[in-house]
Amino acid sequence: AQTVTQSQPEMSVQEAETVTLSCTYDTSESNYYLFWYKQPPSRQMILVIRQEAYKQQNATENRFSVNFQKAAKSFSLKISDSQLGDTAMYFCAFMRDSNYQLIWGAGTKLIIKP
Amino acid sequence: GAVVSQHPSWVICKSGTSVKIECRSLDFQATTMFWYRQFPKQSLMLMATSNEGSKATYEQGVEKDKFLINHASLTLSTLTVTSAHPEDSSFYICSARGLLATPEAQYFGPGTRLLVL
Repeated sequence: AQTVTQSQPEMSVQEAETVTLSCTYDTSESNYYLFWYKQPPSRQMILVIRQEAYKQQNATENRFSVNFQKAAKSFSLKISDSQLGDTAMYFCAFMRDSNYQLIWGAGTKLIIKP
Repeated sequence: GAVVSQHPSWVICKSGTSVKIECRSLDFQATTMFWYRQFPKQSLMLMATSNEGSKATYEQGVEKDKFLINHASLTLSTLTVTSAHPEDSSFYICSARGLLATPEAQYFGPGTRLLVL
């Protein structure tokens, strides 16, 4: 069975700093997707970034980028120039391409301090 | 595009009553909808997967007679919590995927807060 592990329950950084959230997963699948979702206090789930396992190039979306290490089964999220609006819970998630079900990590609470 | 709505956004009900939560895809056809439950400060727990026109598939430990899911059309799925009790109080989230260019994309509703007194 697939599992997703986020080892950092909470992180706190100053505004404008760079922060990296870690995520590891376990699977025997060869084709899959990995996601980072953000859940602000409103509790609306917001897609931050998506990575397809067959792509070696790390995904980037503006200030957000990932370090995808397939062999190590690691998928960390880097947030550059952090902003107050980045304060939220961040969830790492795994998806098999066979049933499209998301398997979630426990989440990391990120606090950006002014 | 790809907006999912949920109604109601919050509901308070008395113990023993039933509550229906609607999940709608507003601008795309949702072939699959997922229902999640989220306890405070915890991750999302998948309750069931529903495909349009067929019975929902429930995750282990989820009572299908307690949480009735209907996906009668390509834009609407409903979750009915029957004979609700205080322990059913939670945050319920739906997500939908459909006939889009990116089949792995899931779009989330804003969630429904349920409080059973």
